[in-house]
Amino acid sequence: QKEVEQDPGPLSVPEGAIVSLNCTYSNSAFQYFMWYRQYSRKGPELLMYTYSSGNKEDGRFTAQVDKSSKYISLFIRDSQPSDSATYLCAMSEIGGSYIPTFGRGTSLIVHP
Amino acid sequence: DTAVSQTPKYLVTQMGNDKSIKCEQNLGHDTMYWYKQDSKKFLKIMFSYNNKELIINETVPNRFSPKSPDKAHLNLHINSLELGDSAVYFCASSQAGGDTQYFGPGTRLTVL
Repeated sequence: QKEVEQDPGPLSVPEGAIVSLNCTYSNSAFQYFMWYRQYSRKGPELLMYTYSSGNKEDGRFTAQVDKSSKYISLFIRDSQPSDSATYLCAMSEIGGSYIPTFGRGTSLIVHP
Repeated sequence: DTAVSQTPKYLVTQMGNDKSIKCEQNLGHDTMYWYKQDSKKFLKIMFSYNNKELIINETVPNRFSPKSPDKAHLNLHINSLELGDSAVYFCASSQAGGDTQYFGPGTRLTVL
């Protein structure tokens, strides 16, 4: 079992839909959680990060962490075609090298 | 202003050749990284350099050698290229001990 599991998709939704992207993990030492967005043939870019359980909102994006279930989610409201990309979750332990462990990414397609 | 840049963007070469990929960051970060992203989109850490010292070296073949002339640059040298080395290689940087990594655009390496 990999440390971080993420469904690769693709996930295809119509414009305006609410999108839910999810990751599960097995390492209870993970305390720092991130979501990266990667457009085709580009490098990953950080979207959101959080240390704690609960929700964190930034515009149309909401990151949710449930440490008891070892489950994190990214919600995208009012999805746009420009949101079409691969979304990678990443997480790391606090202290030490901070090297994150990445999920394999979920490919999202938002069609007009 | 490009924060993390890599050259070349594309690299096509024959098996057995030696090649280098260059990376530069202008963010003033102390830590730089090399990642490999395979065809299944898994992003795996290869090396991490902090203040010109190697602090993590995952189990990559010794044909791969990172070289950091200064804290703004981290180059990747690959000797005796093999077919399995074909992938996209990403450079990234972060603050020392920091969590958020900023990625370059990637170098797509194809070994024929």
